[in-house]
Amino acid sequence: IAGITQAPTSQILAAGRRMTLRCTQDMRHNAMYWYRQDLGLGLRLIHYSNTAGTTGKGEVPDGYSVSRANTDDFPLTLASAVPSQTSVYFCASSETGGRTEAFFGQGTRLTVV
Amino acid sequence: AQRVTQPEKLLSVFKGAPVELKCNYSYSGSPELFWYVQYSRQRLQLLLRHISRESIKGFTADLNKGETSFHLKKPFAQEEDSAMYYCALKGSQGNLIFGKGTKLSVKP
Repeated sequence: IAGITQAPTSQILAAGRRMTLRCTQDMRHNAMYWYRQDLGLGLRLIHYSNTAGTTGKGEVPDGYSVSRANTDDFPLTLASAVPSQTSVYFCASSETGGRTEAFFGQGTRLTVV
Repeated sequence: AQRVTQPEKLLSVFKGAPVELKCNYSYSGSPELFWYVQYSRQRLQLLLRHISRESIKGFTADLNKGETSFHLKKPFAQEEDSAMYYCALKGSQGNLIFGKGTKLSVKP
């Protein structure tokens, strides 16, 4: 089934631990994004990648890192989790030309305790 | 500055009533605007994009460059329309810039 998949769907994580959220798409989209969704704040961009091999910082990048080794995968890593990183994380992808609507994964609900 | 403002956190209407979810934007140049919908605990889905000027599920949105607005409208709300609605602007990096969202509650 074509689309974008995130794993895990939810996770409880001890503060200070390292965690990688996975994101895979099979639509051959060039661009991929990571957002966090918080009540009252909407969705905020963490990091993005416009093509394989390149990444950029979004609005709230601190405490997060990403890599884009190939077109399909865009993992998000929390090096040392803190409670303020408790959130719902959405990965998205889009074409960089033509139709630029973004397609979203189902989200990862992360709780840092 | 590139910004999207949705002034209403919550909008509550009765079934059959008209609905208007407000969205204002700030962008220098020609904006590309979208409305996304998120039903309870589900992923965000594209509802409308202004370029296509289409009507989806009875919703329409018109870009008003003079008022820098892209309000979402539906003449007769249905209970299944209850959801979070996000207005979004395509930013200069290609990413979407989202408003804070409006929760629409349609009462029977």
